[in-house]
Amino acid sequence: QVQLQQSGPGLVKPSQTLSLTCAISGDSVSSNSAAWNWIRQSPSRGLEWLGRTYYRSKWYNDYAVSVKSRITVNPDTSKNQFSLHLSSVTPEDTAVYYCAKSRGSIIDYFGQGALVTVSS
Amino acid sequence: DIVMTQSPDSLAVSLGERATINCKSSQSVFYSSNNKTYLAWYQQKPGQPPKLLIYWASTRESGVPDRFSGSGSATDFTLTISTLQAEDVAIYYCQHYYTPPYNFGQGTKLEI
Repeated sequence: QVQLQQSGPGLVKPSQTLSLTCAISGDSVSSNSAAWNWIRQSPSRGLEWLGRTYYRSKWYNDYAVSVKSRITVNPDTSKNQFSLHLSSVTPEDTAVYYCAKSRGSIIDYFGQGALVTVSS
Repeated sequence: DIVMTQSPDSLAVSLGERATINCKSSQSVFYSSNNKTYLAWYQQKPGQPPKLLIYWASTRESGVPDRFSGSGSATDFTLTISTLQAEDVAIYYCQHYYTPPYNFGQGTKLEI
């Protein structure tokens, strides 16, 4: 049974970079059948898929167009975790951020989520 | 991007009655080369993350009660709860996973 443990600051200043980490237990970030996603949820934007990383003989990433110029999702094989970096944040980026596992492209497990507020 | 639109936005159904939620995609999410429809349904209860109910448009995730069923093809989909239980009060989302970005619908709030 996979478990995902999120960590990172709950408050980020405007124009700075939002950084979150998701530690994986019960599976491997290097799995050839899984992908590792970031999704956020806010009252104004609903559920928004942001991006993913996955390993299929080499590492791949996919990102939502809405954040593509600002987002990086990175695997960390030494710690079996993956991270989200979202640069140049504004109050519009305030949301509950979820890390999530997918089997293939089917998102089958969400972490508990973490509220990140963008405010000075 | 494929846009997902759900209807209605909210729904009130009596206990023991049938609930039906609709979802429409802006383009087909059926992939003819493998005959699969790239559509999932999720349930989200207050204070919890979404939970996968249905994938491939009609396959129930392990452990999901059989009162939940999914149907539809190409661009029009339905989630049906055959006999509503009190614990089914939640917001329900459809999502496609045909090609990134994997957009969600806006959600349907189900109440008793």
